[in-house]
Amino acid sequence: DIQMTQSPSSLSASVGDRITITCRASQSITAYLNWYQQKPGKAPKLLIYGVSSLQSGVPPRFSGSGSGTDFTLTVSSLQPEDFATYYCQQSYSSPPTFGQGTRVEIK
Amino acid sequence: EVQLLESGGGLVQPGGSLRLSCAASGFTFSRHAMSWVRQAPGKGLEWVSAISGSGSSTYYADSVKGRFTISRDDSKNTLSLQLDSLRAEDTAVYYCAKEFSLGVSGDFDCWGQGAPVTVSS
Repeated sequence: DIQMTQSPSSLSASVGDRITITCRASQSITAYLNWYQQKPGKAPKLLIYGVSSLQSGVPPRFSGSGSGTDFTLTVSSLQPEDFATYYCQQSYSSPPTFGQGTRVEIK
Repeated sequence: EVQLLESGGGLVQPGGSLRLSCAASGFTFSRHAMSWVRQAPGKGLEWVSAISGSGSSTYYADSVKGRFTISRDDSKNTLSLQLDSLRAEDTAVYYCAKEFSLGVSGDFDCWGQGAPVTVSS
């Protein structure tokens, strides 16, 4: 199975901050990388698919980049509703696997 | 609007069985592969099982292979997961997830609200 490792595991930030979350795959996954947002007690929500394609309805302050084994999710200006846990996920090979999550907290 | 509504979760003893259902609406159910993904309390996400849009292909995580069975009824727009020989480590919220396409791709664009399953004596 392909292992996905996110860093950091958690971060504290303020409204308006720019944040970046990193995701590393244990082998090349080319561009088969998705990002999800999950709020407490809620289902995950797809934010970005295929490394950098924004899911419909997701604000443009979210962006993704990378290729091969190293990927990033950037939020250009953190909003109050963005405080949540973020997961990367590879769909390059079965089984699909997720990173351990990055919790974004209010500073 | 795409909606996925899980049901059937609950408390079950080790070794017991449970059947989860997911009622889908707002899209052409038969044209999409579907998956189950679970989340143990305070933990991350773990893919469990998938079924192609045609229903002809099914896939399982090694941790549940031989104990769980995924199925779909396109006439009722319903996805199911039969959970047998349950263990304490199967305790989790189980999410039904819609995939982008007919084939199983592992790209989940819509999720249900989740069905909690607790395995305990």
